[in-house]
Amino acid sequence: GENVEQHPSTLSVQEGDSAVIKCTYSDSASNYFPWYKQELGKRPQLIIDIRSNVGEKKDQRIAVTLNKTAKHFSLHITETQPEDSAVYFCAATPPPYNFNKFYFGSGTKLNVKP
Amino acid sequence: DSGVTQTPKHLITATGQRVTLRCSPRSGDLSVYWYQQSLDQGLQFLIQYYNGEERAKGNILERFSAQQFPDLHSELNLSSLELGDSALYFCASSVEGNPTDTQYFGPGTRLTVL
Repeated sequence: GENVEQHPSTLSVQEGDSAVIKCTYSDSASNYFPWYKQELGKRPQLIIDIRSNVGEKKDQRIAVTLNKTAKHFSLHITETQPEDSAVYFCAATPPPYNFNKFYFGSGTKLNVKP
Repeated sequence: DSGVTQTPKHLITATGQRVTLRCSPRSGDLSVYWYQQSLDQGLQFLIQYYNGEERAKGNILERFSAQQFPDLHSELNLSSLELGDSALYFCASSVEGNPTDTQYFGPGTRLTVL
């Protein structure tokens, strides 16, 4: 089955700096890679996703890059702000109707220091 | 607010007991997912329903069961509770239940087993 590894487990940056979180996956059939943000005590929320036919996707200060050959994808947050502090989860999933292989990474706790 | 509602918000019970968690999906969403998030842990997929039928099963214990009713709300039943079952239980919903659908999470039910 799929195995998603996420690094680092914690990340502390100064406000205004960039943050990068990396995930690797094992199932080469995986073709959808969402990222979720979970603020303390709140529900997870989808912030960006990428499909395997795209190498990079941007949405304002966040971007996700995908390297299918190496089977890894990364979340990039630029010009970090204190409100970016949260736990970020990556996930990978193979083609439809195989949902029991939808695995989340273990999460990265991002702390943005003012 | 994602439009997904969960009740109760908090639940405190004793070992050996049985509890029922309730979830109402967003209007128009046909699929419901249940996740378990233990303290400082990632999200673990439990089970998915689509239009009343079980679609996928993850690492759900035999002591746990779920169902989705004709009005599309879902219930997660946890029985013979153990201390280790203490966790935050999230419900999410999506339109069609495909892995590439955006999932909208509810606020969660915090279960404490004493």
